[in-house]
Amino acid sequence: DADVTQTPRNRITKTGKRIMLECSQTKGHDRMYWYRQDPGLGLRLIYYSFDVKDINKGEISDGYSVSRQAQAKFSLSLESAIPNQTALYFCATSRDFPLSEQFFGPGTRLTVL
Amino acid sequence: AQSVTQLDSQVPVFEEAPVELRCNYSSSVSVYLFWYVQYPNQGLQLLLKYLSGSTLVKGINGFEAEFNKSQTSFHLRKPSVHISDTAEYFCAVSDRTNAGKSTFGDGTTLTVKP
Repeated sequence: DADVTQTPRNRITKTGKRIMLECSQTKGHDRMYWYRQDPGLGLRLIYYSFDVKDINKGEISDGYSVSRQAQAKFSLSLESAIPNQTALYFCATSRDFPLSEQFFGPGTRLTVL
Repeated sequence: AQSVTQLDSQVPVFEEAPVELRCNYSSSVSVYLFWYVQYPNQGLQLLLKYLSGSTLVKGINGFEAEFNKSQTSFHLRKPSVHISDTAEYFCAVSDRTNAGKSTFGDGTTLTVKP
């Protein structure tokens, strides 16, 4: 079974719709992250959470919000989707200490029409 | 603040040839360094990491990288590539403070030709 899962894997939605992407992990990590990937731009950090009560904005948080429902769950919401939010979205986790690599989910491909 | 520059966006190479993917970084604090690989339609997975100790790091699938502090580089190498190495490769840097966020490069697409 995958350690980091994301649902849905693919989603097509329309401009103005609210959408939620969900991430669950079984690794027992405290730290969780949301990234978006666009061709040629690498991964850009949207939000990150170091524990259930700690949520921080990343470099591109405008238009997004998150919820950390439990240690294992971290959801990303687009309150009113727009076409330039069309991208591949990844959730990732990492240990709190010692710091080391991140573990990624399989991604959600989101298309906003 | 930290940044990562992957010097080549695309690297085409023939099967069994050697390859080097270049990565330079900038940071005001000590860092950890990582290379991740992304195969088509998949998430990223760790190839190798430098945390401390020996500057030559060996990873999975025959890849290795060398941390060069004076040149702030962490280039990825493989002496003989296979078709199956075709993928996108990302260099990432993470500061050693409790912030611990990773900054990723823009990626290098490695295409191995028969």
